[in-house]
Amino acid sequence: GDSVTQMEGPVTLSEEACLTINCTYTATGYPSLFWYVQYPGEGLQLLLKATKADDKGSNKGFEATYRKETTSFHLEKGSVQVSDSAVYFCALSGSNFGNEKLTFGTGTRLTIIP
Amino acid sequence: EPEVTQTPSHQVTQMGQEVILRCVPISNHLYFYWYRQILGQKVEFLVSFYNNEISEKSEIFDDQFSVERPDGSNFTLKIRSTKLEDSAMYFCASNNPDRGLGYGYTFGSGTRLTVV
Repeated sequence: GDSVTQMEGPVTLSEEACLTINCTYTATGYPSLFWYVQYPGEGLQLLLKATKADDKGSNKGFEATYRKETTSFHLEKGSVQVSDSAVYFCALSGSNFGNEKLTFGTGTRLTIIP
Repeated sequence: EPEVTQTPSHQVTQMGQEVILRCVPISNHLYFYWYRQILGQKVEFLVSFYNNEISEKSEIFDDQFSVERPDGSNFTLKIRSTKLEDSAMYFCASNNPDRGLGYGYTFGSGTRLTVV
């Protein structure tokens, strides 16, 4: 079945440092890939997505590129801020349009210190 | 911004008791979902619901679980006889696929269920 393997946390960085959170996946067909973020006390929010190979998703300075050859979707940001502190989840959805069951990774807790 | 609302935010129940977790999805959404996250583990799909019936369910969603959309606005998850291992954060979600994959897929803030 489908699965997502995500970089173990927690990750602690200083403000303005570079961030990479690794994510690889196993899926049949052509899944869509997502990064979700969960701020303290809140629900899961879509951060960015990519629906086909070589697509780059971007939002709020974060980027991730759908790499079919390496089955990866690593999350990157060039300069993190304290407000980026949250838990980040990599996820995939099969190509069953309509019923978008999501398969998640374990989540990576990111803490940014001033 | 429309929201998915879940109540209660935290529920404590005794083992063997029935619990009902409530969700109000976004009004024009068509698909509804429940996920759970056991502390420190990954978010897991439980069930999807469309047109008043279950579309898909996972192995976790056994006979002790049921879902219902009783009145056209609420979407509930019932656990008939809770076990200690049901302790988890339960997330409700809804989406309208007409907006495209991923877009409009909205999660609630979750209900933390603690079984004692």
